[in-house]
Amino acid sequence: AQTVTQSQPEMSVQEAETVTLSCTYDTSESDYYLFWYKQPPSRQMILVIRQEAYKQQNATENRFSVNFQKAAKSFSLKISDSQLGDAAMYFCAYRSATVGQNFVFGPGTRLSVLP
Amino acid sequence: DADVTQTPRNRITKTGKRIMLECSQTKGHDRMYWYRQDPGLGLRLIYYSFDVKDINKGEISDGYSVSRQAQAKFSLSLESAIPNQTALYFCATSKAGDTGELFFGEGSRLTVL
Repeated sequence: AQTVTQSQPEMSVQEAETVTLSCTYDTSESDYYLFWYKQPPSRQMILVIRQEAYKQQNATENRFSVNFQKAAKSFSLKISDSQLGDAAMYFCAYRSATVGQNFVFGPGTRLSVLP
Repeated sequence: DADVTQTPRNRITKTGKRIMLECSQTKGHDRMYWYRQDPGLGLRLIYYSFDVKDINKGEISDGYSVSRQAQAKFSLSLESAIPNQTALYFCATSKAGDTGELFFGEGSRLTVL
């Protein structure tokens, strides 16, 4: 079974600085998707960024970018120019491309942004 | 209005009570899911349904049951609530054949005393 690990339960960053959240996963499959979800205090789950495993190019969404290392099974999230509104729980998630397979979530990293 | 709506948002109940959490969606998605969130454990899948006649157990289905009343409605029941079912519960949907992004409701916080 696939597993997702986030080794940093908590992190903090100074406003306007850059922070990287780590995620590793274990799978024997070659085709899959990876996601980062954000959960602010409102508890709504919000998709931050998505990466298809077959794409070599790292995904980018405004201030959010990923470093996808398929061979190392690593999928880190970089937040540039951190803002107070970035403070949240961040969950890394894996989904097989095989039909019928479901998401596997990591335990989450709580990010604090210091003014 | 939210595309995925959960009721109630918050609920406090007592051990042994039957509880139903309801979910409705306007996204037109076939697939619906119930997840449970606990600190340090992330989200774990309780049940999922790929269409109205398809119900499947997730990794932590014991003590729970579900009903898919229509394409847009998927409810989760706790037949006899116990304190370790205290958690934040999420309903989610996804579109078949897509990249599989999950769309979440706003969560239902359940406390079992």
